[in-house]
Amino acid sequence: QKEVEQDPGPLSVPEGAIVSLNCTYSNSAFQYFMWYRQYSRKGPELLMYTYSSGNKEDGRFTAQVDKSSKYISLFIRDSQPSDSATYLCAMSAGAAGNKLTFGGGTRVLVKP
Amino acid sequence: DAGVTQSPTHLIKTRGQQVTLRCSPKSGHDTVSWYQQALGQGPQFIFQYYEEEERQRGNFPDRFSGHQFPNYSSELNVNALLLGDSALYLCASSRGTGETQYFGPGTRLLVL
Repeated sequence: QKEVEQDPGPLSVPEGAIVSLNCTYSNSAFQYFMWYRQYSRKGPELLMYTYSSGNKEDGRFTAQVDKSSKYISLFIRDSQPSDSATYLCAMSAGAAGNKLTFGGGTRVLVKP
Repeated sequence: DAGVTQSPTHLIKTRGQQVTLRCSPKSGHDTVSWYQQALGQGPQFIFQYYEEEERQRGNFPDRFSGHQFPNYSSELNVNALLLGDSALYLCASSRGTGETQYFGPGTRLLVL
């Protein structure tokens, strides 16, 4: 079993809908949680960073961490066709800049 | 402000050959990590360099080695290439280990 599980999708939504993404993990040592967006044939781009449990909002993006359930989520409001990409969750133990363990990524398609 | 840069963008090698990939970190960053991303999967951590020393290593064989230079740039070397080494190789940098990692565009390696 992988340390971080993520539904591969694809997840198809109409423009303007809310996109809901999530990851589960098994290592209770993880304290730092990130979401990256990756366009085809490009490097991952950092979207959100959260330490420990709680919610964080940045523009159209909201990240949630529930350490008791070992479950993290990313919500994208008012989705746009430009949000079509693969979304990767990542997490680390000890420090934010330590080794990142990634999920497999969820491919999202926002249809105009 | 230049982000993380990598070279070359892509290359083709044959089995048994050796390859060197290069990375320049984001301005102000001193820590470099390398990841391997196979097609359709999340990135896998190879190793991390700080102060010219390898400080963390993932589950990769000794065929994978690296180096960090005094200007914080880094190289990834892979010897005795296998078909399974075909992947996108990502470099990420951070300011020490207390901050999150930012990724470069990657080098796409194809082994024939």
